[in-house]
Amino acid sequence: EAGVTQFPSHSVIEKGQTVTLRCDPISGHDNLYWYRRVMGKEIKFLLHFVKESKQDESGMPNNRFLAERTGGTYSTLKVQPAELEDSGVYFCASSQAEGYEQYFGPGTRLTVT
Amino acid sequence: EDQVTQSPEALRLQEGESSSLNCSYTVSGLRGLFWYRQDPGKGPEFLFTLYSAGEEKEKERLKATLTKKESFLHITAPKPEDSATYLCAVRPISGYSTLTFGKGTMLLVSP
Repeated sequence: EAGVTQFPSHSVIEKGQTVTLRCDPISGHDNLYWYRRVMGKEIKFLLHFVKESKQDESGMPNNRFLAERTGGTYSTLKVQPAELEDSGVYFCASSQAEGYEQYFGPGTRLTVT
Repeated sequence: EDQVTQSPEALRLQEGESSSLNCSYTVSGLRGLFWYRQDPGKGPEFLFTLYSAGEEKEKERLKATLTKKESFLHITAPKPEDSATYLCAVRPISGYSTLTFGKGTMLLVSP
């Protein structure tokens, strides 16, 4: 069974540019989560989808971040315009159901210069 | 506010030298405590879920235990391949399925 995949693995962009991160969850997992780890800090929750609906987006830092999950399959996280403080590793995770263990992807390392 | 504190930040062991990692947590109510292992450049890999005080789970050289205020990850006779960062996360009753993570303990096992 394929795990959670994320694309790209690395992205380097300039301040003010736009970047879109993609996550493909484990097949059949309705729950999809986005997390972020900035340097020196712990992994922090961004938002949670159940199928195509946003269940909880309380962790989204501001309106420069837009997450979508069309059709309840893969998800994208767009940052527009990117700021220096957006640099970090963005993880996607999926779970079979709420409360079950979450399986993480390898992450996308975003560097904003 | 929910909080997870892991100690020590880093731990160096000789192969075969057993030890324990600590995860202290403060939550309004605990729905689950999770242990993950993370290797450099990879995402967290699920290890255990603990739900109630007194619960224990084992996997190879690892054993996780839970009390009302903390969890321990005991590593028995570690091998170099156990070297990784170990992350603890809690799922509070008040939230949906979101996890609150600690900063992790970086474990290095020397041969």
